[in-house]
Amino acid sequence: GQQVMQIPQYQHVQEGEDFTTYCNSSTTLSNIQWYKQRPGGHPVFLIQLVKSGEVKKQKRLTFQFGEAKKNSSLHITATQTTDVGTYFCAGCKKTSYDKVIFGPGTSLSVIP
Amino acid sequence: KAGVTQTPRYLIKTRGQQVTLSCSPISGHRSVSWYQQTPGQGLQFLFEYFSETQRNKGNFPGRFSGRQFSNSRSEMNVSTLELGDSALYLCASSLVTGRANTEAFFGQGTRLTVV
Repeated sequence: GQQVMQIPQYQHVQEGEDFTTYCNSSTTLSNIQWYKQRPGGHPVFLIQLVKSGEVKKQKRLTFQFGEAKKNSSLHITATQTTDVGTYFCAGCKKTSYDKVIFGPGTSLSVIP
Repeated sequence: KAGVTQTPRYLIKTRGQQVTLSCSPISGHRSVSWYQQTPGQGLQFLFEYFSETQRNKGNFPGRFSGRQFSNSRSEMNVSTLELGDSALYLCASSLVTGRANTEAFFGQGTRLTVV
């Protein structure tokens, strides 16, 4: 069946360092979404990418959707302690409706 | 506008019992999905309902079931509880426009502990 993988599973960075998480799908996606879950919280939507090769930025966060629409990445520049949490990608596979498959997430720890 | 509401927030049950969790989606949202989250396991998809119909189902045993009412509120039921069912159960609603899902809005979750 369709799978969405994410690497790394865990990442510890020093505050100020950059961070990247990668998301890969076994099948072509119609779009991809990214969510952030703070410790003890619930996932919160960050962004949705739809077009092949699309790049979007939100302040220090840069999101990319691959040309083949099978992979995506989230890059955080100069991490801050407020970036701590688990980042999930969610691939949307178009069938008769959009089926959303969440990746396992990347847990980010930021050392002050 | 009110967010996704899940009740109860916390629940302690004994092995063998059954439990019903409730989710009220954002007004106007017709798609409701349920997820199980355990430490290190990410979000495991349980099922999705749209207009009272189950559209998709994850790989969970038949002890896990759900339903959606005409007002889009959804319930999930777990029968014959096992210790391994202890988890955070998250509900997410989304506004389905045409054939494209938009972002999912998650509730705070129900923390179920089975003892």
